[in-house]
Amino acid sequence: DAMVIQNPRYQVTQFGKPVTLSCSQTLNHNVMYWYQQKSSQAPKLLFHYYDKDFNNEADTPDNFQSRRPNTSFCFLDIRSPGLGDAAMYLCATSRDLGGRGTDTQYFGPGTRLTVL
Amino acid sequence: QQQVKQSPQSLIVQKGGISIINCAYENTAFDYFPWYQQFPGKGPALLIAIRPDVSEKKEGRFTISFNKSAKQFSLHIMDSQPGDSATYFCAATEETSGSRLTFGEGTQLTVNP
Repeated sequence: DAMVIQNPRYQVTQFGKPVTLSCSQTLNHNVMYWYQQKSSQAPKLLFHYYDKDFNNEADTPDNFQSRRPNTSFCFLDIRSPGLGDAAMYLCATSRDLGGRGTDTQYFGPGTRLTVL
Repeated sequence: QQQVKQSPQSLIVQKGGISIINCAYENTAFDYFPWYQQFPGKGPALLIAIRPDVSEKKEGRFTISFNKSAKQFSLHIMDSQPGDSATYFCAATEETSGSRLTFGEGTQLTVNP
């Protein structure tokens, strides 16, 4: 089945220790997104890639970086995690509609990050 | 102007009842309104979506009602089941101008047996 896969599902890191979360997709979508979702809140967009073009949200801290080495994979790097970065991190993908915007976003299962 | 307001924050319904969740928006440029269902520990999953050229869309037990003049839309879950217990997010986006979903705050639905 075509899908969005996130690894690991659960990640524990120590305060200040860099961590990388990964996302892969078999949907062949050219747009990929990273969201942060804290308990009882809506997902908050951190950044997205339109093909290889990186689009950062204005309020995304510099502590969060991303890489997209190819269409299928996208990584979220947290350079120095703080206690406030503990959250669910969601990857999503969508398809470019060729000048008419993008199609529906499909979400992965998320990675639950714990910062000790 | 980019906000989407969602209510209620939480909802408890008896099995077989109707669950109704409401959303309101300000940005008249929004042209696509999806609803996402999220179970604990899972990512949001697209449930149903509507565009403003129709006033209602129905898929099985789920119906979106859309009122363009009032800038409001709502999700109705008929014959609610315990398996529907989840958090529901409405969202809105301008499909032709970017990829950014604006989410409502979410509604935690509990359907009692």
